[in-house]
Order: sequence, then structure tokens, then C-alpha cells
Amino acid sequence: KAGVTQTPRYLIKTRGQQVTLSCSPISGHRSVSWYQQTPGQGLQFLFEYFSETQRNKGNFPGRFSGRQFSNSRSEMNVSTLELGDSALYLCASSLGSRVTEAFFGQGTRLTVV
Amino acid sequence: AQSVTQLGSHVSVSEGALVLLRCNYSSSVPPYLFWYVQYPNQGLQLLLKYTSAATLVKGINGFEAEFKKSETSFHLTKPSAHMSDAAEYFCAVSDNAGNMLTFGGGTRLMVKP
Repeated sequence: KAGVTQTPRYLIKTRGQQVTLSCSPISGHRSVSWYQQTPGQGLQFLFEYFSETQRNKGNFPGRFSGRQFSNSRSEMNVSTLELGDSALYLCASSLGSRVTEAFFGQGTRLTVV
Repeated sequence: AQSVTQLGSHVSVSEGALVLLRCNYSSSVPPYLFWYVQYPNQGLQLLLKYTSAATLVKGINGFEAEFKKSETSFHLTKPSAHMSDAAEYFCAVSDNAGNMLTFGGGTRLMVKP
């Protein structure tokens, strides 16, 4: 069974641009969460979706947004990129409505120059 | 809000020695506790999880963790370290609703030959 797939693996963007990251969860999983990982702040929760509804959002500015489609695939978007947005963005999927076991993708490494 | 503290950002052990990675959570008992491992340029892999079924939890690769409510701890141990255990380890707790994870700062484990 395929794991969580994140595309692209690597991205380089310029300040002020916007970016869209994609996450395909494990087949049958309905919950998708996003996390930002940086050396300074560690792993921080961005948002979580279940059945196309955002149930929880972390403490990030409105430039960070996401959505989930009917097939459970999810995208996150960052507008007006800043240098500080450079990070590894991780997506995790879970089977049910509670995170009893989250499976992570390999992440998308975003570099903002 | 839940919080997690991992004591020691770096731990170094000799091959064959005991591995002990420390994790303390905030005073309210979370529904679930987890340990994840991350290898360079990879996502997070679940080592083990506590879901209140048993206080001593066994995971993959010979790791185990014991939930101690009186000490608000969930330390990770392995009797004998292997070179392949060198990685970064994260302790995480779920929120009460069970749909987001809060991570500790991580502990980088180094294994000396």
C-alpha cells in the first residue's frame, strides 16, 4: 500500500511569490495534517482537515492556507513568501477522525531566496 | 494547551550501550503519546504510541517507552544501541480532541562505534 506522497520534494522560490504544496494521503485515510519544520522553531502544527473540513489551525499568519478535496488529497498554499518561510513542510494522514496513528510523507523542502 | 519537553537536544552513546531519551508532557494527561524517528532528509516514522491500553509500550526496532503519570513522563529506551539508530527522535502528544500533534524539540542521538 502506497504511503503518504508529497510533491514536489524540493522547491526554490523568490520572496513575494506564492507556492502550492500537494499531499496525497494513504488510500482510505480521511484526515490530513500539515506541519512546518525549521531548525529554530522545530515542528509546528499548521492545520488539519477531515472530510474536506478544516478542524484545527495553528498559530500561523493568514498567508498560510490549505484545503482538502473530496478524494482526501490536500494542498497548502503560502502567499507572499518570506525568507522565514524556508522550511521542511510535512504532511501526515490518519485513518479516522482522531490522530491515533499519523503517517508522514517525506516532506517538501521549500527554500525562499 | 498541551506541551512537550525533551531533555537533551543531543545524546551520545556507544554502540551496545543503553539508549534513554527523555520526554515530559504537560500536567493534563493527553489522549495519546507518540515517539517518532526522523532520518536525514526524511519524514517522520512512528516508533511507538501510548493509547492508555498499557503503560509499557513496545515499538519497532527494539524501542520501548513507559508511561508514568506520576512523573508526567514517557521516556524512550533501547537496551543496546546500534549504529543505525543514529537519527533525531521526537516525542509528541495529541490534543484532547485527538486531531493535532504537539511535538517536543527533538533529541539527536549519536552512536559511537
